[in-house]
Amino acid sequence: EPEVTQTPSHQVTQMGQEVILRCVPISNHLYFYWYRQILGQKVEFLVSFYNNEISEKSEIFDDQFSVERPDGSNFTLKIRSTKLEDSAMYFCASSASSAAAYEQYFGPGTRLTVT
Amino acid sequence: QKEVEQDPGPLSVPEGAIVSLNCTYSNSAFQYFMWYRQYSRKGPELLMYTYSSGNKEDGRFTAQVDKSSKYISLFIRDSQPSDSATYLCAPYSGGGADGLTFGKGTHLIIQP
Repeated sequence: EPEVTQTPSHQVTQMGQEVILRCVPISNHLYFYWYRQILGQKVEFLVSFYNNEISEKSEIFDDQFSVERPDGSNFTLKIRSTKLEDSAMYFCASSASSAAAYEQYFGPGTRLTVT
Repeated sequence: QKEVEQDPGPLSVPEGAIVSLNCTYSNSAFQYFMWYRQYSRKGPELLMYTYSSGNKEDGRFTAQVDKSSKYISLFIRDSQPSDSATYLCAPYSGGGADGLTFGKGTHLIIQP
């Protein structure tokens, strides 16, 4: 069964450093998303991406964040100048179409620890 | 305002019991109602979804939506220890590529 994959599973970085989190969405899906979950908190939407541009973004997704689809399979989230409060699980998700955007499939997540 | 509320639990029941998990929301624009299951330190897994009001059954799981009261339920029959997880409701307004609005989730424990 097709699935979303994410790398790395755990990333440790120092405050102020840049990190890139990687995702490979399900191959025939067209919409891609990033979410984060701070430990003990709810899953929060960051950004959605379609046709090589951002479709929607939340208030959390500020200038510190950027997304890119560098090739036909990868989808990345870059966090510039990480802060302690960026420590969280980051989940990538994908959906087949806008009509089925409610049906989002999540990857296993990358645990980001900022020290 | 998009807001979704769930009792965080934990909810602990014996194996074989019927489980009722509930969720309320405030935004009447929500049209689709998803239930996700999340095991500890794993990604959310889509269990099932319902469109508008009504019931939907999938094996041991039944989802129920009452839009008039903005109330969502998930019932699990013949609960198993493997059902122990956090259950997240996620309503969605539909159209475009909006993100899902998750509740904080209810932590369910099925005792063998």
